[in-house]
Amino acid sequence: DAKTTQPPSMDCAEGRAANLPCNHSTISGNEYVYWYRQIHSQGPQYIIHGLKNNETNEMASLIITEDRKSSTLILPHATLRDTAVYYCIVRVATGGGNKLTFGTGTQLKVEL
Amino acid sequence: DAGVTQSPTHLIKTRGQQVTLRCSPKSGHDTVSWYQQALGQGPQFIFQYYEEEERQRGNFPDRFSGHQFPNYSSELNVNALLLGDSALYLCASSLRLAGVDEQFFGPGTRLTVL
Repeated sequence: DAKTTQPPSMDCAEGRAANLPCNHSTISGNEYVYWYRQIHSQGPQYIIHGLKNNETNEMASLIITEDRKSSTLILPHATLRDTAVYYCIVRVATGGGNKLTFGTGTQLKVEL
Repeated sequence: DAGVTQSPTHLIKTRGQQVTLRCSPKSGHDTVSWYQQALGQGPQFIFQYYEEEERQRGNFPDRFSGHQFPNYSSELNVNALLLGDSALYLCASSLRLAGVDEQFFGPGTRLTVL
């Protein structure tokens, strides 16, 4: 699986958009970009994933650059409950059978 | 619909002892993965079970073993505990042939080795 690079921490004001970047310059053509988050003392939670097109769901939007070497997770209206560690993971999607390789992620702090 | 459940929530053991952690997957899921998360680090993959067999394994010693039962629930066993085994142990379940490939995590078991 390709390695990812994320900033260790970010701050965001409540109600504003939180934009979390991720670099994955060695991504292969068959690897997807996944995002998970982990709220303190809980298990990680799946947010979204994509291959090359931008994706949106009820939680967030994922913007992947045309060369696929980087991506941005966007939380459109961050709330205090979005304070968490956000993990960007690149992996081949082969059904539920593949492991997740976590880095150290980005600690997002949403403040009033 | 219950999500992934793990037991116990907390556990304290001493060096050299053995421990068994338990996981029940989300309803409808057939694959269980185990992860170890040390303080301040991301989760590290231990192994994965499907059809009652270990299918993938991370870089963990043989002291870490597991089992999956016919009802898809799973156990993680750790023998000869070391201080460095103190961590949050997470179980994740998934459906092997699912296209989305989303893994659902339980709340974890906090193991402290003294």
